[in-house]
Amino acid sequence: AQTVTQSQPEMSVQEAETVTLSCTYDTSESNYYLFWYKQPPSRQMILVIRQEAYKQQNATENRFSVNFQKAAKSFSLKISDSQLGDTAMYFCAFMKPTNDYKLSFGAGTTVTVRA
Amino acid sequence: DVKVTQSSRYLVKRTGEKVFLECVQDMDHENMFWYRQDPGLGLRLIYFSYDVKMKEKGDIPEGYSVSREKKERFSLILESASTNQTSMYLCASKTGTGGGNTEAFFGQGTRLTVV
Repeated sequence: AQTVTQSQPEMSVQEAETVTLSCTYDTSESNYYLFWYKQPPSRQMILVIRQEAYKQQNATENRFSVNFQKAAKSFSLKISDSQLGDTAMYFCAFMKPTNDYKLSFGAGTTVTVRA
Repeated sequence: DVKVTQSSRYLVKRTGEKVFLECVQDMDHENMFWYRQDPGLGLRLIYFSYDVKMKEKGDIPEGYSVSREKKERFSLILESASTNQTSMYLCASKTGTGGGNTEAFFGQGTRLTVV
């Protein structure tokens, strides 16, 4: 399995502030996909954002954006204007472009947004 | 509205029991997955299937088996449950097209406790 590392077990942020979650990965592949998933207390995993390694432009989805540094094998997630509903566990995940579509996940970062 | 449904949200079983975890998807997806989620370890792949009656081992298949007799249903079987299989189990499905540009959808998880 690919190695995906999330070094921050927990983070806390004030409502309306910005928080950045880090993720590094290890691979010898040249093309692959990276994802951030959100798991709120309801336990429903939700895809937040995805990035294809061949695309140099960083992906953005509303208040969520990534900083993809391919050479450094780094894929951080920035949550801007944090909202109470952003409180969740966030998982970074890696997928090779093979037909099995297996995801390799990091250990997760618990984000708490304070009112 | 796409859906992956796991038969139980909570399950308590005794050591040595045979346990079945059921997962059904209504999206006609070819690929289905079983992950195990543990604190500090993230999600780890147990088994996956890319077609009816086809199965492949993931990263931690020991103590588990699977069955896929119909395209929409993927069952995880614990032949003889042990306390170290106490965990959250997540099922996912994904279409076989689009690579990483198509989303994997997750069920809401089954929290299994083996006593």
